[in-house]
Amino acid sequence: ETGVTQTPRHLVMGMTNKKSLKCEQHLGHNAMYWYKQSAKKPLELMFVYNFKEQTENNSVPSRFSPECPNSSHLFLHLHTLQPEDSALYLCASSQNPGRTDTQYFGPGTRLTVL
Amino acid sequence: KNEVEQSPQNLTAQEGEFITINCSYSVGISALHWLQQHPGGGIVSLFMLSSGKKKHGRLIATINIQEKHSSLHITASHPRDSAVYICAVSRAQGGGADGLTFGKGTHLIIQP
Repeated sequence: ETGVTQTPRHLVMGMTNKKSLKCEQHLGHNAMYWYKQSAKKPLELMFVYNFKEQTENNSVPSRFSPECPNSSHLFLHLHTLQPEDSALYLCASSQNPGRTDTQYFGPGTRLTVL
Repeated sequence: KNEVEQSPQNLTAQEGEFITINCSYSVGISALHWLQQHPGGGIVSLFMLSSGKKKHGRLIATINIQEKHSSLHITASHPRDSAVYICAVSRAQGGGADGLTFGKGTHLIIQP
């Protein structure tokens, strides 16, 4: 595997379900990000992790819970979601948390909340 | 008003035409990014620039820091250039990785 991978690619869940999105980067990067892309809206930042530590939470509701066990893996745990949370969730990584770098994106998870 | 504005929102052109997409921003930045998103969602970074001009193949990106404006140009456009082009900025801040702030994107269609 190369680059940034995300699983699953598609997910349908009910409002009472609990599910997790997984992101893995094979680039040796030390910063990872979650972004959300809703229909008709710009991409928006959710979370930033530098060296496994969360450094930014962009006012994301607590029903989204990120986890970064190491610099290569990032999870987004989902519980009690709403239909308006249906969106494309994108993970990205960049090399050096100490400076602005090119970000490399995964293919995304298309989430539908029923 | 969004912090990152793009124009046009939609653009349809004929193969071979010279394409220009514009981006203006209202915040201090450390860098500006041009991204390409194809149907299906995958996003590829085309350029990251903080001054001047960059060129890669048929793509050229320019930035004017004083005017807070950037342009993406495509020369000799081809149907395979059809995609959504997104402008994004890394905010100017001390240390730490920067989450991006995005424009709404420009949906480009190149007709044969």
